[in-house]
Amino acid sequence: QEQVVESGGGLVKPGGSLRLSCAASGFTFTAYYMGWIRQAPGKGLEWLSYISSSGNTIYYADSVKGRFTISRDNTENSLYLHMNSLRAEDTAVYYCARVSRGTDYWGQGTLVTVSS
Amino acid sequence: DIQLTQSPSSLSASVGDRVTITCQASQDISNRLNWFQHKPGKAPKLLIYDVSHLETGVPSRFSGSGSGTDFTFTISSLQTEDFATYYCQQYDFLPYTFGQGTKLEIK
Repeated sequence: QEQVVESGGGLVKPGGSLRLSCAASGFTFTAYYMGWIRQAPGKGLEWLSYISSSGNTIYYADSVKGRFTISRDNTENSLYLHMNSLRAEDTAVYYCARVSRGTDYWGQGTLVTVSS
Repeated sequence: DIQLTQSPSSLSASVGDRVTITCQASQDISNRLNWFQHKPGKAPKLLIYDVSHLETGVPSRFSGSGSGTDFTFTISSLQTEDFATYYCQQYDFLPYTFGQGTKLEIK
């Protein structure tokens, strides 16, 4: 059973940092691109970043470029999102997803709240 | 990035109604279009891929059609559990962008 589970969300002050993790199981992690998508309160789904299976190809949305870093550990079947210089507008539920036929498997998300 | 224009943004309907949502792409996406269902606190669920193919286990009251840049998603007879937000997604070009979503509410 394919599964991805996010963790690491929480309350952080503006300008702060946070690292999100995504644990994958039930599929060959090294064969897939992986991505992060978020949903801000009352808003739709926004692509943030994706990383190729080897880690050599990476994309960032303009809204997070220069502040967020995606990485993966293929030995641990894990995906990460390092978030720096957080802003109030980064408040959202962050989802990890497998990139296949679009994004076919998602986690339930982890909530990040940026507030003083 | 490819833009997807989804409409309507919200829809009020009753159990048993037939509902239709449209999704228009800014360019031809080679029929690489998904439809997702999203309920609060849950993972988005893939219902339809490649425009019209039902994911395993998805009820047949859900269907999709279209080609090129214009696509349609239909629920033939609404059930209580179908009230949710629905999104289209193109996967012809990374990043795999989404429509703005359609919130389906009970009338």
